Amino acid sequence: DVVMTQSPLSLPVTLGQPASISCRSSQGLVHSDGNTYLNWFQQRPGQSPRRLIYKVSNRDSGVPDRFSGSGSGTDFTLKISRVEAEDVGVYYCMQGAHWPWTFGQGTKVEIK
Amino acid sequence: EVQLVESGGALVQPGGSLRLSCSASGFTFSSYPMHWVRQTPGKGLEYLSRINHDARDRNYVDSVRGRFTVSRDNSKNTLYLQMNSLRPEDAALYYCVRDDGSNGLDYWGQGTLVTVSS
Repeated sequence: DVVMTQSPLSLPVTLGQPASISCRSSQGLVHSDGNTYLNWFQQRPGQSPRRLIYKVSNRDSGVPDRFSGSGSGTDFTLKISRVEAEDVGVYYCMQGAHWPWTFGQGTKVEIK
Repeated sequence: EVQLVESGGALVQPGGSLRLSCSASGFTFSSYPMHWVRQTPGKGLEYLSRINHDARDRNYVDSVRGRFTVSRDNSKNTLYLQMNSLRPEDAALYYCVRDDGSNGLDYWGQGTLVTVSS
């Protein structure tokens, strides 16, 4: 199975400051159809996960533009340009290129 | 508005069985692949299984293959997960999740809690 490794696992951030989460996969995430299936999910406290980013860098509808995704191959990053209070929660990367699909361990973002 | 509502979670003894349901609304259920994912405090999110739109293709992760069966009734807009031979390590919050068909998992239900204990 593809192992997804996130870092850091805990990320204290000052309001208004940027935040960056790394996600590394144990093998490349390019599917046979040519797409790279790396998605990011946000799980706020007490809520279900919500998709933020699909296929590395595409923001879902309604996702603020302070969220951005980038990367290729086995290294991917989720960035928040200026953290707001509503961004507190756990962020997960997930690969859908190889069966079985797998998630990272999650990165907990909290306000300092 | 897309809505997914899971039900059927309960306390069950090891070795027991349970059937989870997920009622879908707000989209054409019969057109979308669907998935089950579970979450535990210790292991985070664990992907379990998928079923394509017409139920002809189903896949499972190794940890549940042979014990869990995913199915769907498109006439009732409902997804199911039949869980047999339950183990303590199957205790989790179980989510049904829609697949948007081209980009992977998108909408998640609120989850239903399964507890496995004697």
